[in-house]
Amino acid sequence: EDQVTQSPEALRLQEGESSSLNCSYTVSGLRGLFWYRQDPGKGPEFLFTLYSAGEEKEKERLKATLTKKESFLHITAPKPEDSATYLCAAYTSGTYKYIFGTGTRLKVLA
Amino acid sequence: DVKVTQSSRYLVKRTGEKVFLECVQDMDHENMFWYRQDPGLGLRLIYFSYDVKMKEKGDIPEGYSVSREKKERFSLILESASTNQTSMYLCASSAQYEQYFGPGTRLTVT
Repeated sequence: EDQVTQSPEALRLQEGESSSLNCSYTVSGLRGLFWYRQDPGKGPEFLFTLYSAGEEKEKERLKATLTKKESFLHITAPKPEDSATYLCAAYTSGTYKYIFGTGTRLKVLA
Repeated sequence: DVKVTQSSRYLVKRTGEKVFLECVQDMDHENMFWYRQDPGLGLRLIYFSYDVKMKEKGDIPEGYSVSREKKERFSLILESASTNQTSMYLCASSAQYEQYFGPGTRLTVT
């Protein structure tokens, strides 16, 4: 069964303390791996798409990487405004559907 | 920028009422989706549409129907609202792979 698992469920960091969020996936025929940011009470905001193992994408303090089994969202020197829930999703050629993880709630303390 | 709008941010309805949630996108995207999001369960696909007047069931279609009469508009209908349909409803659109989400509608059924 296709599955996407994110860890940890919640993460508290001090401002400037770098860390990584994990997204493990078991899907048949990955067509794309997506990262989203979601603020409380709002819709997810698209961040990155990764298509193949070894690919990396960067945006400000965020860098997303992809292997054949997992993706990481690295946050370098985070600021309080980076506090949000980060979601990952896999799009598969098997079902042509998006499979979402349940997210990592990130809190960055000043 | 892609813009996806939803008709209401907050909605309160009574059990048994027929409820309409509207979604409009302005980027001429072929694909549109309706999800519900509940704590601990992540995003679950209700229905999606790959073309005007076309619809496909997602993972949890029971109690819902959809309508897509124009390319830019995708409506979700709760035929007879029940308390277990209290949730955050998210609409998304995509051209190829990346999904872009609306702000969400927080529906409460009492």
